[in-house]
Amino acid sequence: DAGVTQSPTHLIKTRGQQVTLRCSPKSGHDTVSWYQQALGQGPQFIFQYYEEEERQRGNFPDRFSGHQFPNYSSELNVNALLLGDSALYLCASSPGLAGADTQYFGPGTRLTVL
Amino acid sequence: KQEVTQIPAALSVPEGENLVLNCSFTDSAIYNLQWFRQDPGKGLTSLLLIQSSQREQTSGRLNASLDKSSGRSTLYIAASQPGDSATYLCAVWPGFQKLVFGTGTRLLVSP
Repeated sequence: DAGVTQSPTHLIKTRGQQVTLRCSPKSGHDTVSWYQQALGQGPQFIFQYYEEEERQRGNFPDRFSGHQFPNYSSELNVNALLLGDSALYLCASSPGLAGADTQYFGPGTRLTVL
Repeated sequence: KQEVTQIPAALSVPEGENLVLNCSFTDSAIYNLQWFRQDPGKGLTSLLLIQSSQREQTSGRLNASLDKSSGRSTLYIAASQPGDSATYLCAVWPGFQKLVFGTGTRLLVSP
């Protein structure tokens, strides 16, 4: 049983560009959450998707947007990249509306903005 | 606004020592508290989940306690090993949708 997978593993972009990160949840999970982890910091919640809708959003600007597909996979899009967007982006999945259960995290995508 | 603090920020111990990592949170209205391990440049591995009605959870050499009223949790690691070297993150569930993380404790266990 594959766990949470993310692609790509690493990504290098320049300021002003746009980026798309992808996540496939653990089998049987339909809820996907995205987190941003800057170097030396704890992860910060970006948003969560359930039934193809954004259920909750953290304190991130509108440059950060997402999407969930019918197969429960998800994308995170970041427009007009800033140097400060350089971070490890983590995807987590969990089953259903319960939410407050163990979240399973993927290995992350390391984004570097030059 | 929920804030999570972890002390110490870094810890270095010789192999075999028992150690305690501390976590504090500002709002006691939480559903669960979870401890994670993160290896350098990697994702998060869940170690222990304590539900709000519980006082502690144990898994092997790990024991986590929760005192909601005082806003504190501790992670106890017995007989530490070099393989325990990693960053340990504490996170609380203020609701059902998201985790609020601390900044972590970076642990180094020397042979």
